[in-house]
Amino acid sequence: SQKIEQNSEALNIQEGKTATLTCNYTNYSPAYLQWYRQDPGRGPVFLLLIRENEKEKRKERLKVTFDTTLKQSLFHITASQPADSATYLCALYTGGFKTIFGAGTRLFVKA
Amino acid sequence: GAGVSQTPSNKVTEKGKYVELRCDPISGHTALYWYRQSLGQGPEFLIYFQGTGAADDSGLPNDRFFAVRPEGSVSTLKIQRTERGDSAVYLCASSLGERADTQYFGPGTRLTVL
Repeated sequence: SQKIEQNSEALNIQEGKTATLTCNYTNYSPAYLQWYRQDPGRGPVFLLLIRENEKEKRKERLKVTFDTTLKQSLFHITASQPADSATYLCALYTGGFKTIFGAGTRLFVKA
Repeated sequence: GAGVSQTPSNKVTEKGKYVELRCDPISGHTALYWYRQSLGQGPEFLIYFQGTGAADDSGLPNDRFFAVRPEGSVSTLKIQRTERGDSAVYLCASSLGERADTQYFGPGTRLTVL
């Protein structure tokens, strides 16, 4: 069956450290993968998109990698801040019109 | 500029009632999506509109759910004979392009069926 897996347990890190979140998928061949941030009571906000032929993408303190052989994407936040605390969702686009979302990983950054 | 707006922000209804949820997309966005999000889960795709037509409604769980976008802008998600299992946050998103490009989400409508 098709699955997207993100760490269900919350990730707790100290301010200033690098947070690394994982997204694994099975039985999909995504054309591209996106990462979104979601705060409580709000809709998801787009952060980064990486295509199947790209290995790495960066934006300010954010970095995403995409390994289509391992069927995995890693999402890194460097020099993390308490304001980075949120739920981070990965989403796969496999063609057509659908985007398939993972359940998300909650990140807590302690001051 | 204005983002995606959704009304109402909260809706409490009784089992068996009919509800309508409204979405105002970003002006000029031709693509519009509806999702449903349960606690602790990611958004679950329901339906996609390109202009006025529903290009993909494969995510609608059953025939109690229906959505329209008559003028290619505002969309309404309609749920008939609501059930307690319909309780969730209903999210709307819009995007510029025809493919599942960057989507801009509204704040959602929290539906509670008693």
